[in-house]
Amino acid sequence: SYELTQPPSVSVSPGQTASITCSGDKLGDKYACWYRQKPGQSPVLVIYQDSQRPSGIPERFFGSNSGNTATLTISGTQAMDEADYYCQAWDSSTAVFGGGTKLTVL
Amino acid sequence: EVQLVQSGAEVKKPGESLKISCRVSEYSFTSYWIAWVRQMPGKGLEWMGIIYLADSNTRYSPSFQGQLTISADKSISTAYLQWNSLKASDTAMYYCARTPSTTSGYFDYWGQGTLVTVSS
Repeated sequence: SYELTQPPSVSVSPGQTASITCSGDKLGDKYACWYRQKPGQSPVLVIYQDSQRPSGIPERFFGSNSGNTATLTISGTQAMDEADYYCQAWDSSTAVFGGGTKLTVL
Repeated sequence: EVQLVQSGAEVKKPGESLKISCRVSEYSFTSYWIAWVRQMPGKGLEWMGIIYLADSNTRYSPSFQGQLTISADKSISTAYLQWNSLKASDTAMYYCARTPSTTSGYFDYWGQGTLVTVSS
């Protein structure tokens, strides 16, 4: 079965740039999307189709996808960005989520 | 605004049956797929399966195939997740989510979650 691999945790200082990676076999040939989940809340879509931002998502959220890796980049990270982030893609009509990355803003 | 409204929290005993629901407030509900996603305590998101309301076309994750049933009633814009015999390991938060496609789609709207607790 298809797998997506994320680092368990990423730390960043306020105002700096955070990068969260998501690796999968030929992931660049698929569309990747990203979700943010804060404690006690439902996931929220922050990036879809590799690099598109839904309305209401700040411009500091940027997505890319090439080769075997999709990357979520958050520039000028703020305390409010602290959350768990999940990547997701489709393989053979099956949705797959990455294991999630806890972003800590120190 | 599209809303996915899920049924309330449930506390069940092992071996009992359960059906939880997800109602979509959207007139074009039939144009979308509704997925179910499990999140066990302190763990990540797991895709369980999906249903297309227009024709009840259903697909399951291999990990969940045979363990539960996904169904829908398009007349009331509601999707369901059902267990015939719950296990303690089914204790989790269950989310429904909407996507326009099962090949390149993204889950743009999510329900608030239904917490299922299975304990003797």
